[in-house]
Amino acid sequence: EIVMTQSPATLSVSPGERATLSCRASQSVSSSLAWYQQKPGQAPRLLIYGASTRATGIPARFSGSGSGTEFTLTISSLQSEDFAVYYCQQYNNWPLTFGPGTKVDIK
Amino acid sequence: QLQLQESGPGLVKPSETLSLTCTVSGGSISGSNYFWGWIRQPPGKGLEWIGSIYYAGSTYYNPSLKSRATISVDTSKNQFSLKLSSVTAADAAVYFCASPSRQWENDFDYWGQGTLVTVSS
Repeated sequence: EIVMTQSPATLSVSPGERATLSCRASQSVSSSLAWYQQKPGQAPRLLIYGASTRATGIPARFSGSGSGTEFTLTISSLQSEDFAVYYCQQYNNWPLTFGPGTKVDIK
Repeated sequence: QLQLQESGPGLVKPSETLSLTCTVSGGSISGSNYFWGWIRQPPGKGLEWIGSIYYAGSTYYNPSLKSRATISVDTSKNQFSLKLSSVTAADAAVYFCASPSRQWENDFDYWGQGTLVTVSS
């Protein structure tokens, strides 16, 4: 099973600032890496797939990079609606696995 | 645009079997090369993939569930279902059904709203 880790656990950012979230896989997942945003009481929303491709309707301030075992989600200028929990997920191998999440909160 | 909706009992007794169904609308389960998935989230915790099924019946499961999970599909009703046996308090969670939007890829673009399952006698 591929273990996904995320850092930091919590990221405190001021609106308008840049946020950089990290995700690491215990072995290579190639580019089969997705990022999700989840707000309280809601289902997760797919932001990024293929490590760097924005899903339909996702604003350009969200970008993903990386391949193999190291991945990054960058939010270029945080808006109020971006404060949420972010999860990465690998889909290169079964079983599918999620990271533990990074909470982005208001500084 | 696919829509997914979970249904099933919100309360299950310890040691009994949890049963949930996901109804898909806006597309055909058998018309897509997707693996349809179940994911759960205990209160205040992260996401855990439970398993996925292809319309023809192939399944994959999270080994941490130790064979307690069974996922099936009913193409005539455009539904897929989850059964989780011998539940304990640790199985209390919001259960989501979800699907990809690209063939043969297993990230999840479409999600149900989730259904809360409580385990209590």
